[in-house]
Amino acid sequence: AQTVTQSQPEMSVQEAETVTLSCTYDTSENNYYLFWYKQPPSRQMILVIRQEAYKQQNATENRFSVNFQKAAKSFSLKISDSQLGDTAMYFCAFTTSGTYKYIFGTGTRLKVLA
Amino acid sequence: GAVVSQHPSRVICKSGTSVKIECRSLDFQATTMFWYRQFPKQSLMLMATSNEGSKATYEQGVEKDKFLINHASLTLSTLTVTSAHPEDSSFYICSARSQQDSTDTQYFGPGTRLTVL
Repeated sequence: AQTVTQSQPEMSVQEAETVTLSCTYDTSENNYYLFWYKQPPSRQMILVIRQEAYKQQNATENRFSVNFQKAAKSFSLKISDSQLGDTAMYFCAFTTSGTYKYIFGTGTRLKVLA
Repeated sequence: GAVVSQHPSRVICKSGTSVKIECRSLDFQATTMFWYRQFPKQSLMLMATSNEGSKATYEQGVEKDKFLINHASLTLSTLTVTSAHPEDSSFYICSARSQQDSTDTQYFGPGTRLTVL
């Protein structure tokens, strides 16, 4: 069975500093996508970043970047220059290409401290 | 782009009544929509996958007669909670996958908080 594991239930970081959220997954598939979503207190799920498994280059979106280690089945999210607005629940998600269904991790609650 | 709306954002109803929640993709066509349920401080639980023009596919343990899903057009899916009971109180979230998107990305609505008295 495919699984997604987020081992850090809660984290905190000082404003302007860098934090890394971890995510590991288990699959025997070769073609898949990985995502990080942010859910702030409003509870709106917002796409932060996505990674196609066939791409070796790590995805980046402004202050957000990933460290995708396919062999290790690891997909961590790095947030640079953390801002108060980054305070949210972060979910890692996995989907096998063509199935469209997501498997979510249990989430990491991130708090950015002023 | 890729905006999904949900209506209503909050609903309170009496036990035994039915409640309809709408999910719309505003600026894209969605061949597939998904309905999730989220309990406080927990992850999203997939309830069903809704494909335009065909019957929804329900996840194991989800009662299809209780949670009726209709995906009548490429921009609208509805979830009807029939004969609601207090245990159905939850946060319901829909998402949509664009017909044009080859990356399997889901875009989420803002959610609907259902309270059954």
